[in-house]
Amino acid sequence: AQTVTQSQPEMSVQEAETVTLSCTYDTSESDYYLFWYKQPPSRQMILVIRQEAYKQQNATENRFSVNFQKAAKSFSLKISDSQLGDAAMYFCAYRSFGGEYGNKLVFGAGTILRVKS
Amino acid sequence: KAGVTQTPRYLIKTRGQQVTLSCSPISGHRSVSWYQQTPGQGLQFLFEYFSETQRNKGNFPGRFSGRQFSNSRSEMNVSTLELGDSALYLCASSRGTSSYNEQFFGPGTRLTVL
Repeated sequence: AQTVTQSQPEMSVQEAETVTLSCTYDTSESDYYLFWYKQPPSRQMILVIRQEAYKQQNATENRFSVNFQKAAKSFSLKISDSQLGDAAMYFCAYRSFGGEYGNKLVFGAGTILRVKS
Repeated sequence: KAGVTQTPRYLIKTRGQQVTLSCSPISGHRSVSWYQQTPGQGLQFLFEYFSETQRNKGNFPGRFSGRQFSNSRSEMNVSTLELGDSALYLCASSRGTSSYNEQFFGPGTRLTVL
């Protein structure tokens, strides 16, 4: 079974600074998807960024980028130029590539990100 | 385009009762997944429905069940409620299941069991 571990329960960053959230995972599959989701206090889960394991290039979405290390099974999220609106709970998630497991997501425990002005 | 909607948004029940939660996916989406979010266990997958068929089921007791209708709307039912069932229940919809399709989450239903 796949597992996802987020070892940082809480992180703080100063506005306009850069912060990195860590995530490691365990799987025996060679192809899969990894995600970072943001859950603000409103509780609406929002997709931040996606990485396909078969792509070596790290995904980027504006101020958000990932450092995907497949051999190390590590998938960290870097937020540049942090903004107050980035304050939220961030979840790392895993999805199998094949159709057998459908859209099932395995989530990490989450990291609360606080942004200080 | 309307997003994923969940009703009701808040619910208070007592132990032993049963509850039904509803999820309406984005138009054109045929897959609906359900998740339970609690402070202690985090986000856990309950089940997924696609074209009215359960595709996947998480590790939850049989008190948790679901179904999907021909219009892709889905309901989940929890019978004989326990205090530990208090949680935020999230549903997510997607076009399909065989390859990557982005999942869109609803706002959740907050269930409190007294």
